[in-house]
Amino acid sequence: GAGVSQSPRYKVTKRGQDVALRCDPISGHVSLYWYRQALGQGPEFLTYFNYEAQQDKSGLPNDRFSAERPEGSISTLTIQRTEQRDSAMYRCASSLQGDTEAFFGQGTRLTVV
Amino acid sequence: LAKTTQPISMDSYEGQEVNITCSHNNIATNDYITWYQQFPSQGPRFIIQGYKTKVTNEVASLFIPADRKSSTLSLPRVSLSDTAVYYCLVTTDSWGKLQFGAGTQVVVTP
Repeated sequence: GAGVSQSPRYKVTKRGQDVALRCDPISGHVSLYWYRQALGQGPEFLTYFNYEAQQDKSGLPNDRFSAERPEGSISTLTIQRTEQRDSAMYRCASSLQGDTEAFFGQGTRLTVV
Repeated sequence: LAKTTQPISMDSYEGQEVNITCSHNNIATNDYITWYQQFPSQGPRFIIQGYKTKVTNEVASLFIPADRKSSTLSLPRVSLSDTAVYYCLVTTDSWGKLQFGAGTQVVVTP
């Protein structure tokens, strides 16, 4: 596709359920990033990949959060045993390796009830 | 990564020039200054990047003094559609991760 695609756009889940958020980066983009953004705040870094290798996961809040990019393209951010505090906009971005111009997707709005 | 400090908000009228100054006192030799723009309900969008002196593109200009401890994003003749949050970031040349702060909310009114 022409841009970064995220699905679903909206996800409502019950507390305690697991959720998987998908990101399809721009074709050819080596680097892929996950961010979380609360209302009125800037994006908070979670993790990033170069190809299939997870380069930095220091921003993942706890071990309920994990991410993978097995074939170096599509990535999945998984949140296990969701809690209400996990409610936020989750944004994915991709870029050419070594390029600081990252392209963001429209995000997935996660609501935990 | 160097920490950045920028104003929380700025108001302007249509047609005026808006200048947003960002402080990054601990910037490293191989760091670049990068600015992103975010409209409501959208993801951030890259605006401009520079290392020193002045950079200009079709959207904005970026002024960086010799000591590189601050930078100024200049938006010429703003319109209502320039209302957005503007983020100043310091990024390394090898990339890695973008650290966003709270940004500057710019509101343009008629």
